[in-house]
Amino acid sequence: AQSVTQPDIHITVSEGASLELRCNYSYGATPYLFWYVQSPGQGLQLLLKYFSGDTLVQGIKGFEAEFKRSQSSFNLRKPSVHWSDAAEYFCAVVMDSNYQLIWGAGTKLIIKP
Amino acid sequence: DAGITQSPRYKITETGRQVTLMCHQTWSHSYMFWYRQDLGHGLRLIYYSAAADITDKGEVPDGYVVSRSKTENFPLTLESATRSQTSVYFCAARREGKYEQYFGPGTRLTVT
Repeated sequence: AQSVTQPDIHITVSEGASLELRCNYSYGATPYLFWYVQSPGQGLQLLLKYFSGDTLVQGIKGFEAEFKRSQSSFNLRKPSVHWSDAAEYFCAVVMDSNYQLIWGAGTKLIIKP
Repeated sequence: DAGITQSPRYKITETGRQVTLMCHQTWSHSYMFWYRQDLGHGLRLIYYSAAADITDKGEVPDGYVVSRSKTENFPLTLESATRSQTSVYFCAARREGKYEQYFGPGTRLTVT
C-alpha cells in the first residue's frame, strides 16, 4: 500500500541556519509529490510540487525540494530559515487511481532565536 | 479571489446535537474534500465529491453526511455529534485533471 513517512515529528533550527525536512514514500510508480505548510491556526498552503522533469523543484517562500527516485525521497530544504517559517510541514503523494492525496504525519518546525 | 471559505470558524456543540459545517469555493473546481486533523493522526479524509451530486466515502466517514447540490458548496453534517468528533475540519478543492488541492482555513469544532 502507498504510504508517506516523515521521520521527524519535531525539528528545532536556529534562525538563519539551513533546514532539511525528510519525506519518504512507498509507491510503485512515479509519484506526484507535494509539500504543504500549515502556520498555527491556519489552513494548509501548497509550497511546491513535483510531477516530472527536473528533480529539483523551487517553491514559494524560498523553499526547494529534491526528488530522489533511488531513495524514494522528496526532502524539503531552505538555506536560511526565518522565524516566520515556524509551522508544521506536510509531505503528500497522490494516488493516481483517483488523484487522492496520501499524507505524511507532519513535521513541526521550531525556530530558535 | 477568496478561494475556499469555511464557516463557522469555531463551533462548540453538545453531544447528540446535529451540526453542519459549511464549505464554499469561489472557483468552479470539480473535486471537493473534507478532512479532519487530529494530533497524532495527521489529515484524514472523511468524504470527497467529484462533481455536484457525486460523493464518496474517504477513510473515516462514519458519523458524517455530505451533500453537494451545487458545485461551489460542500457542507458536512454531523448528524449526532460525539466527543470523538472534536477536531479541526478542513475543506479542500482541486480542478479536474490536476493533482494539487487547495485548502480552506478550517473549522475548529468542540463537542462537549
